[in-house]
Amino acid sequence: DTEVTQTPKHLVMGMTNKKSLKCEQHMGHRAMYWYKQKAKKPPELMFVYSYEKLSINESVPSRFSPECPNSSLLNLHLHALQPEDSALYLCASSQAGGAETQYFGPGTRLLVL
Amino acid sequence: DQQVKQNSPSLSVQEGRISILNCDYTNSMFDYFLWYKKYPAEGPTFLISISSIKDKNEDGRFTVFLNKSAKHLSLHIVPSQPGDSAVYFCAASDRYSGNTPLVFGKGTRLSVIA
Repeated sequence: DTEVTQTPKHLVMGMTNKKSLKCEQHMGHRAMYWYKQKAKKPPELMFVYSYEKLSINESVPSRFSPECPNSSLLNLHLHALQPEDSALYLCASSQAGGAETQYFGPGTRLLVL
Repeated sequence: DQQVKQNSPSLSVQEGRISILNCDYTNSMFDYFLWYKKYPAEGPTFLISISSIKDKNEDGRFTVFLNKSAKHLSLHIVPSQPGDSAVYFCAASDRYSGNTPLVFGKGTRLSVIA
C-alpha cells in the first residue's frame, strides 16, 4: 500500500479566513513533505518533516504554518492568504527523509478569493 | 540554475509505438533518479527509479536508461497506450548529503494518439 490521503480535495477561502489542509499516511514513513504546484510547473517544495521535526523550510511565508502531530499526520495551517497562493497543494511521504522515493497524495486544489 | 532539465515540453506518439522521454542533469552528485507521471489535478504517481550503480531498470512497459557520463536519462514506454497520456516528471537526488529533497524537472506532456 503506497497511499497518501489528503483532505479536503477542494478548498475555496477568502483572504481573511483560516483553514487547514490535512495529510495522512500509514506506510510507516518517517518523512513527510508539503509541495505547492502551479499549472504547467513542477512541484515546488515548501516543508520537510523528518521524524516529526521540521527539517526544511524553503523560505515559505509565515501565512503557511506546518504541523506534524505524529508520524502519520501532517497539517498545513493557512491564514491571510493571497490570491497568488491559489495552487494544488501536494503532500508526500518517504521512508526516512533522505532522498529516496516519495509517494504523493492526490492534492488539495486551493482557490483564494 | 536548473539542475534537472526536460527540454521537450511536449511529445506526441501514436498508440502502439515507443515513447521516449528525455532528462538531463547537471549535478554530478546525483545518484538516484525517478520518473513520476501526473494527470491534471492529481498528485504525481511514482513510476520507476534507477540508482547510479545501474544503467537500466525495467518494469513492464517502462524502462529507464541512465548514461552517467552524459548526465542523461530516458524513459521508454513500449507499447504506448492512450492512458499513458499525462505529464511526466524526471526527478533526481543525492542520497548521501542528508535531507536533500528531490529535484524535479519541468515535465514533458505526453500525448498518445489512438
